[in-house]
Amino acid sequence: QVQLKESGPGLVQPSQTLSLTCTVSGFSLTSYHVSWVRQPPGKGLEWMGVIWTGGSTAYNSLLKSRLSISRDTSKSQVFLKMNSLQTEDTATYYCARFGIREGYWGQGVMVTVSS
Amino acid sequence: DIQMTQSPASLSASLEEIVTITCQASQDIGNWLAWYQQKPGKSPQLLIHSATSLADGIPSRFSGSRSGTQYSLKISRLQVEDTGIYYCLQRYSNPWTFGGGTKLELK
Repeated sequence: QVQLKESGPGLVQPSQTLSLTCTVSGFSLTSYHVSWVRQPPGKGLEWMGVIWTGGSTAYNSLLKSRLSISRDTSKSQVFLKMNSLQTEDTATYYCARFGIREGYWGQGVMVTVSS
Repeated sequence: DIQMTQSPASLSASLEEIVTITCQASQDIGNWLAWYQQKPGKSPQLLIHSATSLADGIPSRFSGSRSGTQYSLKISRLQVEDTGIYYCLQRYSNPWTFGGGTKLELK
């Protein structure tokens, strides 16, 4: 079955770079696109960006200067890197597969930005 | 960027009551609108896709409708398990955008 699972550090220092991995199973990254979505504590959802089946990407314009999404199709992994982290980047980060009739999400990983 | 204005921000309703949540898109998004429910500490779950189509396994008391650029989620007979936060999501154009959310509680 379709599964997505995020992994990464729970704590990142301000001004540092966040690196997260989304490991997927049950589907190929060359057949389905994968997005990253984040949610600050007690707040709403924010779409961050997507990596398409061909490997191209699209980003939220508010994050574009700091964000990079890439993948390793052989390992079924999607990567998120975001630099210059600030406390307001504290959030649960989800990877998700959005389709016309579907919406699969990982369990999320909580990332705290703090010194 | 397309703005999705969701209302109300919070809602308290009684069991069996009819509940309606709306999302107003700032421009045409066709039927590229989905509704999600999120329970505390959980990932969002798809309820409605393509503005009006019920996702697999979702009870038929949930329904979606569209009138121009206004989209609505209706719960016909509120149940205890329907409490949570509801979000709309447009995927018509990048950046995809969520509504601000509606927190639904039982009265």
